[in-house]
Amino acid sequence: GAVVSQHPSWVICKSGTSVKIECRSLDFQATTMFWYRQFPKQSLMLMATSNEGSKATYEQGVEKDKFLINHASLTLSTLTVTSAHPEDSSFYICSARDGGQGVFGANVLTFGAGSRLTVL
Amino acid sequence: KQEVTQIPAALSVPEGENLVLNCSFTDSAIYNLQWFRQDPGKGLTSLLLIQSSQREQTSGRLNASLDKSSGRSTLYIAASQPGDSATYLCAVRHQAGTALIFGKGTTLSVSS
Repeated sequence: GAVVSQHPSWVICKSGTSVKIECRSLDFQATTMFWYRQFPKQSLMLMATSNEGSKATYEQGVEKDKFLINHASLTLSTLTVTSAHPEDSSFYICSARDGGQGVFGANVLTFGAGSRLTVL
Repeated sequence: KQEVTQIPAALSVPEGENLVLNCSFTDSAIYNLQWFRQDPGKGLTSLLLIQSSQREQTSGRLNASLDKSSGRSTLYIAASQPGDSATYLCAVRHQAGTALIFGKGTTLSVSS
């Protein structure tokens, strides 16, 4: 089936540094990428939607200057948490929509394995 | 704005019991509904996906039903096992190009 490779799976960083999370679609064209975050014992909350080659659309309350999303190719999208602080510690997960002509179709969203960010 | 609610928030049962997890959504104009499993500290495992035109889907001991008009879905787990212990998430999509909107989940604990 469709696979989205998400890296790193976990990262610990110091407050004030920036962290980049990558999601790669391995066998399909991810025309749309959705980014979620999940705080402990909470559900997944949509942060932003990005379409390849376009600027991302952010959900209300999500700072676009803090969470930089790049979706420059059909197989790679990145989320950069800039000047991270302890309150940004969370589980970040991407979800890709197949927009190509492949067998997986646009019906199903494929999730990455998630990235756990801990900011000290 | 679509809201997804899952009841109960937590459930503890002895091994072998059949159980039902409930999901409701406020906007019935959905494209599809999906049930996921999430183990502690892990990502998502898709269990069942129901298109808006379908009434139910089955996979092994799992059966999910959808009543779009009333905004409800149930996940039925037959003969529960300790390995079923996890958080179960319900999520809906409005259109093919939109994101999944998740409920807060039901955390299931099955004791042996």
